[in-house]
Amino acid sequence: DTEVTQTPKHLVMGMTNKKSLKCEQHMGHRAMYWYKQKAKKPPELMFVYSYEKLSINESVPSRFSPECPNSSLLNLHLHALQPEDSALYLCASSQEPQVGYEQYFGPGTRLTVT
Amino acid sequence: DAKTTQPPSMDCAEGRAANLPCNHSTISGNEYVYWYRQIHSQGPQYIIHGLKNNETNEMASLIITEDRKSSTLILPHATLRDTAVYYCIALESGRSGAGSYQLTFGKGTKLSVIP
Repeated sequence: DTEVTQTPKHLVMGMTNKKSLKCEQHMGHRAMYWYKQKAKKPPELMFVYSYEKLSINESVPSRFSPECPNSSLLNLHLHALQPEDSALYLCASSQEPQVGYEQYFGPGTRLTVT
Repeated sequence: DAKTTQPPSMDCAEGRAANLPCNHSTISGNEYVYWYRQIHSQGPQYIIHGLKNNETNEMASLIITEDRKSSTLILPHATLRDTAVYYCIALESGRSGAGSYQLTFGKGTKLSVIP
């Protein structure tokens, strides 16, 4: 099984809502990643979890809050988002957080903030 | 990690080989060249990576010049399903500690396979 799953596929939320994005992998990978992709732009790294610990936060606003409850699951909690946060949110995982191990990406959650 | 430069777009006839170039003139000796692609509205997909030697897998071949300043990704028989944005990324190995591996995507090459 080389699949990374993400739910929901689509999400529409208001600026006062609280929602969560979920990512799951059952490959035994020890590194998990959140990327953000605006329309017609390349993906940009947001967070890296290595062995369930946050290791990289690319200066992401606090309205985005990542959580790694266990080695298979990664959440992204959303609160008080702005319309400019509308984007495709991609989750990825790799066997180890090291060069030499490819990243497997999920299909993404398309988020619209109204 | 070294900066990479790719043409913004390319066309390829279906069934022909697609050759996608990547320039990485400042690459260091321990930097790998990785290729990913992203089909419209999907997550990126790993294709292949290499350090010095040419590499081949079931998807593609990677040809790295002897001076390692450029490389070419070859899709031997392009199909319509290969239409995607292809990203070439240079990644340095040997860093220690967690968080040593992060992909920085450039603008990539948009490959259009034409029937």
